[in-house]
Amino acid sequence: GAGVSQSPRYKVAKRGQDVALRCDPISGHVSLFWYQQALGQGPEFLTYFQNEAQLDKSGLPSDRFFAERPEGSVSTLKIQRTQQEDSAVYLCASSLVQGVRTEAFFGQGTRLTVV
Amino acid sequence: ILNVEQSPQSLHVQEGDSTNFTCSFPSSNFYALHWYRWETAKSPEALFVMTLNGDEKKKGRISATLNTKEGYSYLYIKGSQPEDSATYLCASRLNSGGSNYKLTFGKGTLLTVNP
Repeated sequence: GAGVSQSPRYKVAKRGQDVALRCDPISGHVSLFWYQQALGQGPEFLTYFQNEAQLDKSGLPSDRFFAERPEGSVSTLKIQRTQQEDSAVYLCASSLVQGVRTEAFFGQGTRLTVV
Repeated sequence: ILNVEQSPQSLHVQEGDSTNFTCSFPSSNFYALHWYRWETAKSPEALFVMTLNGDEKKKGRISATLNTKEGYSYLYIKGSQPEDSATYLCASRLNSGGSNYKLTFGKGTLLTVNP
């Protein structure tokens, strides 16, 4: 497809369950980002990849959150032992090499609800 | 200003009205300022990226201005249409600690245009 694709669009998880969220970036985009948007808040940075290298994971809220991009394309955000506070929309974005005017292109997001 | 702040939180206007929103951001270590439009059930769509003090950008009926010295940006919509109904997000990037790739978002302004 032409844009960033995320799956699933919606996920309901029972507390304590592990979940995996997938992101297919735009082909050829080097940079990939994950953001988390809690209800009533703006999106917040989670992590940044350049190709397969995870250069910044400072925004991951706890060690239950793990992201990977093993071949420098598709990325997966995994959340272990989900908690209610993990309920949010998870947005993935990709861009060409970083520059001052570089635009990030976002997917539609995955809405995670932990019950 | 340490965070990105947007006002108003929400806005209802009639079709044909012109409107504007404000984004305040940290002026220290400024790198870039982005505006996004996010319609329900769609991906956030990039509107503008601005980098220079005094920048003005225009796309159709939407325009934006930037003041990096005082740390604010205005987004203007002329002759609002129902299809302009969306959440408008601004995000700043700082040139700090080598992480100028990171978008820091405001909470957004929810615009509803009534026919």
